[in-house]
Amino acid sequence: DAMVIQNPRYQVTQFGKPVTLSCSQTLNHNVMYWYQQKSSQAPKLLFHYYDKDFNNEADTPDNFQSRRPNTSFCFLDIRSPGLGDAAMYLCATRRGRGGAGNEQFFGPGTRLTVL
Amino acid sequence: GEDVEQSLFLSVREGDSSVINCTYTDSSSTYLYWYKQEPGAGLQLLTYIFSNMDMKQDQRLTVLLNKKDKHLSLRIADTQTGDSAIYFCATRAGGSYIPTFGRGTSLIVHP
Repeated sequence: DAMVIQNPRYQVTQFGKPVTLSCSQTLNHNVMYWYQQKSSQAPKLLFHYYDKDFNNEADTPDNFQSRRPNTSFCFLDIRSPGLGDAAMYLCATRRGRGGAGNEQFFGPGTRLTVL
Repeated sequence: GEDVEQSLFLSVREGDSSVINCTYTDSSSTYLYWYKQEPGAGLQLLTYIFSNMDMKQDQRLTVLLNKKDKHLSLRIADTQTGDSAIYFCATRAGGSYIPTFGRGTSLIVHP
């Protein structure tokens, strides 16, 4: 059973056209993360939520925003995608802070192409 | 340099053992992870080790930790074509819930 679901799996958008990526979870986890992953690079954390508390990484472009309307759903909005925003976007969840066994569960990712 | 470093590629013959290496800089790393990413998929947690352990074995997987040298390795015994994937090393300090990932090692298994 899928636990972290990302839709769509593949998204094509035009340069400058806003796009929204979706993540949902059935785990009831407190923490939800958005990562950007480019080829041969480590996943780059964009932001995360601990419940409703939003945490933005210092180097996340202003072009990227996120919403978490409830525990289950989290959205990544890219207001004006540039060619450099083409990447795999990974959503992950975690049950809480600290401790072992509370590790991240990742979704399958959304591959974003910008034309 | 990077906080977590891995070589980018490893090629092995089917049936041989694979050893993927990782070095890290954060001495407060309490948990050390190996994730597997298959093409077009998200990251799947394979195994993790606490910093107070030096070895963990799980079926074909053996994790070795040299805390003094900040070196972590993943050994896959009897490597199969289905093991072909990208393997990410990650570390996390005890008080943090944000892991630091390496760039991943692409394991290629050939017949």
